[in-house]
Amino acid sequence: DAGVIQSPRHEVTEMGQEVTLRCKPISGHDYLFWYRQTMMRGLELLIYFNNNVPIDDSGMPEDRFSAKMPNASFSTLKIQPSEPRDSAVYFCASSLLTAGPTGELFFGEGSRLTVL
Amino acid sequence: AQKVTQAQTEISVVEKEDVTLDCVYETRDTTYYLFWYKQPPSGELVFLIRRNSFDEQNEISGRYSWNFQKSTSSFNFTITASQVVDSAVYFCALSVKASYDKVIFGPGTSLSVIP
Repeated sequence: DAGVIQSPRHEVTEMGQEVTLRCKPISGHDYLFWYRQTMMRGLELLIYFNNNVPIDDSGMPEDRFSAKMPNASFSTLKIQPSEPRDSAVYFCASSLLTAGPTGELFFGEGSRLTVL
Repeated sequence: AQKVTQAQTEISVVEKEDVTLDCVYETRDTTYYLFWYKQPPSGELVFLIRRNSFDEQNEISGRYSWNFQKSTSSFNFTITASQVVDSAVYFCALSVKASYDKVIFGPGTSLSVIP
């Protein structure tokens, strides 16, 4: 079975440019999460969705960040305009939680973003 | 508020040694879940174990074992006879019943197993 698929794996861009990260969750999973990982702040939860609806976006750092989930099989995280401090690895994870609080998150391989 | 502390930033051991990774958590909720995840050099986080707050039984899975002690708010992870393939960053995490879909991760412990 395919796992969580993220693209691109690596992105290098210049400050001010728009960045779009993509995620395809595991089929049938009802929760989707976006995390950001940096050396300084570790793993931070940015936003998560349940059945395509955003539940909690309190972790989104600024208005420059936005996330959408137009359908059950696709989500995007957009940064516009990007800044050097946005450089990080962005992880998407999905989970099947409606049946109970298993808490097992299935992570993608991450998208490493470098903003110059 | 919930918090997970992993005081050991980096640990280095020689192959075949045993190693324990510490995890201390904070929560006022009485129902919660604790987890360990592994992040190998490839980058993808992998789920290892989940415990709920009502089950303090220690668990063993092969060379891995977990010690959950509510009295000290700790959920420590021991690797017996470590191997080079165990080299990774290990994260302890917490979710509470009120928002069990929100998993909070600790800062991680980087383990290096030297051959």
